[in-house]
Amino acid sequence: QVQLVESGGGVVQPGRSLRLSCAASGFTFSSSYLNWVRQAPGKGLEWVAFISSDGQDKYNAESAMGRFIISRDNSKNRLYLQMNSLGLGDTALYYCATDGESGSLDHWGQGTQVTV
Amino acid sequence: VLTQPPSVSVAPGQTARITCGGPSIGRTAVNWYQQKPGQAPLLVIYSDGDRPSGIPERFSGSNSGNTASLAISGVEVGDEADYYCQVRLGAGGHRVFGGGTKLTVL
Repeated sequence: QVQLVESGGGVVQPGRSLRLSCAASGFTFSSSYLNWVRQAPGKGLEWVAFISSDGQDKYNAESAMGRFIISRDNSKNRLYLQMNSLGLGDTALYYCATDGESGSLDHWGQGTQVTV
Repeated sequence: VLTQPPSVSVAPGQTARITCGGPSIGRTAVNWYQQKPGQAPLLVIYSDGDRPSGIPERFSGSNSGNTASLAISGVEVGDEADYYCQVRLGAGGHRVFGGGTKLTVL
């Protein structure tokens, strides 16, 4: 079965950087599009970034533009999110999710907490 | 921007309807998620009205004009959760979520 396990979260001071990782198994990783989604405490879901299966196409939400970099290593079945210049507004639970039909996010990890 | 009502209340056994509004949303596929406290979101409807494997037939969706809707028939206490609509913008990778609706089963 599809399994996504996020890691790399923690407590960080404003202005610092953090790299999140998502380990994937149970599906053909190298053929899958992937996303990062976050959820601030008590708030709704916010899409953060998308990457195509070969890593060539990347899209960021406006809130992440110029600060967050999504990447992947298909040889390791891992997705990454490099987060720079972190601010208080970046405090959230960060999920990785696979991309399904019609741009849906059909499988989700349990998330990793980032506190700025 | 996708607009959802902050809350919807329904009695057990009744039908709950949650709306998601946006300009010409009927022209794009809408997806719906259920999120229970302390859990990751779960896809319940994709492509306006299709159900992933394992999702009960009680969950259905529709989309036309400026409003998409999620309907849950025969609501159970276990359906109490936050529900989010979501679309893909254009043919690219941008996605957007609605603000979410808290479903309360009275």
